[in-house]
Amino acid sequence: DIQMTQSPSTLSASVGDTVTITCRASQSISRWLAWYQQTAGKAPKVLIYEASSLKNGVPSRFSGSGSGTEFTLTISSLQPDDFATYYCQQYHSYPLTFGGGTKVEI
Amino acid sequence: QVQLVESGGGVVQAGRSLRLSCAASGFPFNSFAMHWVRQTPGKGLEWVTLISYDETNKYYADSVRGRFTISRDNFKNTLYLQMNNLRTEDTALYYCAREDGDYLDYWGQGIPVTVSS
Repeated sequence: DIQMTQSPSTLSASVGDTVTITCRASQSISRWLAWYQQTAGKAPKVLIYEASSLKNGVPSRFSGSGSGTEFTLTISSLQPDDFATYYCQQYHSYPLTFGGGTKVEI
Repeated sequence: QVQLVESGGGVVQAGRSLRLSCAASGFPFNSFAMHWVRQTPGKGLEWVTLISYDETNKYYADSVRGRFTISRDNFKNTLYLQMNNLRTEDTALYYCAREDGDYLDYWGQGIPVTVSS
C-alpha cells in the first residue's frame, strides 16, 4: 500500500496568512493526488485534483503543486472559512490512501 | 444538485451484520463509480471499497475483504454496503462518495456505525 504522510499535523495561523501543507507519498504516484477540506461535522470536500487542478467553484487562493512523491497545498490569504482540516489522497493505485490530516487553526 | 444520503447505520454487536444504503440523486447514477470511505478519530479517513458504474469491478481494503460486500441498484439509484461479521474496529462514520476520475468529488453526510463487544 502507498503511505501518505502529511506535515504538519497542526498549523496555527491568522486570517490573511499564507500557509503551506506538505504531503509525501511512500512511492511515486505521478500527479494522481487530490486535496480535501473538512470542516467540523461535514464531509470532506475536494479542492484540488491531479495535484494542481482546481475543482470548479473552489476559490483561487487554494493551489496545489508537486509530482512524484512530494506535494504541497498552499492557501493564500487565509479566510475565516479556511480554518479546517485538510487531507491529501493518492489515487495512483488501490487501495486508495489518505494522509493523516493537517488541522489549520487560529 | 448532486445528493448522496446514507442510511442503515446504528449500534450492533460484534459478529453481527448491518447493511448501509446510499440514495443518490441529481446525476446519472449508472454512469459513475461509487465508493465507501470511513472515518474514525483515531485512524482518520480510510477507503473501504469501490464499485464500477456497471458492477464489473469491485475493490476492497484488506481490512474488510471477505466480510463486506459492495453492490448497487442502478434502477433504484442506490449503493449498498453489506457488512458481515462486524468487529469493534469497524466502528466509524461511513461515507458514500461519487468518483470522478478516481478522486471523490461528492460525499454523503455520513452515517455512524458502532460495533459493541
